[in-house]
Amino acid sequence: AQTVTQSQPEMSVQEAETVTLSCTYDTSESDYYLFWYKQPPSRQMILVIRQEAYKQQNATENRFSVNFQKAAKSFSLKISDSQLGDAAMYFCAYRVYTGNQFYFGTGTSLTVIP
Amino acid sequence: DTGVSQNPRHKITKRGQNVTFRCDPISEHNRLYWYRQTLGQGPEFLTYFQNEAQLEKSRLLSDRFSAERPKGSFSTLEIQRTEQGDSAMYLCASSLDSIYGYTFGSGTRLTVV
Repeated sequence: AQTVTQSQPEMSVQEAETVTLSCTYDTSESDYYLFWYKQPPSRQMILVIRQEAYKQQNATENRFSVNFQKAAKSFSLKISDSQLGDAAMYFCAYRVYTGNQFYFGTGTSLTVIP
Repeated sequence: DTGVSQNPRHKITKRGQNVTFRCDPISEHNRLYWYRQTLGQGPEFLTYFQNEAQLEKSRLLSDRFSAERPKGSFSTLEIQRTEQGDSAMYLCASSLDSIYGYTFGSGTRLTVV
């Protein structure tokens, strides 16, 4: 069974600082994707970053980067130069390469302190 | 095309009533998904359509739930004889293929009283 665990229900960061959100997952599959989604209050979920499991290079999208450790089944999200607009619930998600279903963690609520 | 549209945004219903939600995906997306998100949890998969065919259903989708996607365009999710445990955010998402992430709608929040 695939499970995604986010052990930090809440995190906070000072504006302009860096924060890392943790995610671990459990799977017996070898080909899969990992995602981070952002869900602002009362707004739709948006894709932040995506990582293919076969790629050793960590994905980067502007201020967002991941630390993907396949052997450890760890997929953390680093947000650099945090901005007030980064405040949201962040969900880690997993999907088998050939699958259609996403498995989401329980989310981390990020507060950005001015 | 402004994204995935879901209606209504909020629905309050009495226990035992039937409710129907609508999702309009991005027009060129052939894949459509329904998820349910309860408070403090991540979204949980309910069902998946490719064009008009419903190809996957979660065991969460009890016989009181039915989803359709006529003509492979918009989709409806109906819940019959609603129960308080059905109170949740119902999210719709669409995608063009299986490689990329979804585009989510803003969801329909159902409250069963």
